[in-house]
Amino acid sequence: QQPVQSPQAVILREGEDAVINCSSSKALYSVHWYRQKHGEAPVFLMILLKGGEQKGHEKISASFNEKKQQSSLYLTASQLSYSGTYFCGTPHETSAGGTSYGKLTFGQGTILTVHP
Amino acid sequence: DAGVTQSPTHLIKTRGQHVTLRCSPISGHKSVSWYQQVLGQGPQFIFQYYEKEERGRGNFPDRFSARQFPNYSSELNVNALLLGDSALYLCASSEYRGRRSEAFFGQGTRLTVV
Repeated sequence: QQPVQSPQAVILREGEDAVINCSSSKALYSVHWYRQKHGEAPVFLMILLKGGEQKGHEKISASFNEKKQQSSLYLTASQLSYSGTYFCGTPHETSAGGTSYGKLTFGQGTILTVHP
Repeated sequence: DAGVTQSPTHLIKTRGQHVTLRCSPISGHKSVSWYQQVLGQGPQFIFQYYEKEERGRGNFPDRFSARQFPNYSSELNVNALLLGDSALYLCASSEYRGRRSEAFFGQGTRLTVV
């Protein structure tokens, strides 16, 4: 099942902060975050793993709460280069307990626009 | 190091035709996955191949097929094209690291069916 992202779109001025949420109806063991600029391929940002692990990338950080089955992406002091569509992706967990890491189910995306 | 490369970058086909898309993974990556991305939506999983074997298949009709070669490059084939097949087709390669495995995407092939 597809994870649900919120909000669908965010408009910021440079220097402002934003939070993008990703929720799943099934148990999560990890969450992947990607950013895609118009006409380009999705670019990997980070993986969040079970255990509430927080990761950082530039001024972008994220958290993962497996009990709530959700992850949040935090963009602080946004820059123009942060504009794009952000996707969360969840790997397929098999019934045998393995992870099909090559199969990601993506949310519908959050469009982030940063203005000068 | 070269990233994931896909060819062609753009393609226009007529309904009913067949198309072959190609992908070369990052050197050392043995897993290749294919995704379809329709405008305004997230990528949707089509296939995964690892060590030349199909390891996963998404909810796509049998008109879609793929294979992986001994050098780990891959082809995605779509037969009897429909207008609804128009999309950006993305290839992603991975190196197995368990749950820490990252997927790196190519620039995609923009397929337009007319």
